[in-house]
Amino acid sequence: ETGVTQTPRHLVMGMTNKKSLKCEQHLGHNAMYWYKQSAKKPLELMFVYSLEERVENNSVPSRFSPECPNSSHLFLHLHTLQPEDSALYLCASSQDTGSETQYFGPGTRLLVL
Amino acid sequence: GQNIDQPTEMTATEGAIVQINCTYQTSGFNGLFWYQQHAGEAPTFLSYNVLDGLEEKGRFSSFLSRSKGYSYLLLKELQMKDSASYLCAVRFSGGYQKVTFGTGTKLQVIP
Repeated sequence: ETGVTQTPRHLVMGMTNKKSLKCEQHLGHNAMYWYKQSAKKPLELMFVYSLEERVENNSVPSRFSPECPNSSHLFLHLHTLQPEDSALYLCASSQDTGSETQYFGPGTRLLVL
Repeated sequence: GQNIDQPTEMTATEGAIVQINCTYQTSGFNGLFWYQQHAGEAPTFLSYNVLDGLEEKGRFSSFLSRSKGYSYLLLKELQMKDSASYLCAVRFSGGYQKVTFGTGTKLQVIP
C-alpha cells in the first residue's frame, strides 16, 4: 500500500464510450502524474500536475483529457479511444516535481475493444 | 534523445548474486532511479543515485558512474520473491526535471 489509490482496477470499453479513471493520493503530495505502460515498452509519461496546474503534456492525443480538481485527486477522462490505447495506466505522486521518489498507484488495466 | 538501455530479461539462481546494468545518455543527467515492479503491481522505489559510487540498502545496492552514463543494480542472496521487473529511470534537467524510464529488465529467480 503506497498511499496512492486508483479506480477502477480494470476497465473494458468500446471505442465510442466515454469513461474516466480516478486517482487519489493520501500523502499530502503536491505533484501528480499519469503514465501509460504497454507491453514491452518503457513507462511513458503522459501528464504532470504541480499544485493542480498542468506542467507537462507529453504529446498525448486529445482523446485523453486530464483533470486535477485539487492536489489529492487526479482524473483521466477517456473518449473515442483506439485499440492501441489498451494498456496499464499508472498514477503517481511525489512531494514536488523535483522530489527523489514517486509513489505509484496499482494502476488501471484498460482494454479498448 | 534520452535513450535508456537495459537488458530485457535475466535469469539467476536462488541464493546467488545478479547485476542488472543500465546505460543512458549523459547530457542533462540529474539523477537515476531503480524501481521494482512485480507482475500486475505498481512500481516501487528501490534507490536513487545522483553522485558517483555505490549505495547499499540491505541486499540491494546501486552503483552510478556519471562520466560513463552507467549504473547497475546489484541483488545479493537472491530470493524467489525477487522475481520481478527492474526499471531504470533517469531524471534529466529541464522545466520540471522529467523522469524517463527504460523498458525494464525482467528477472526470473529459479531454485
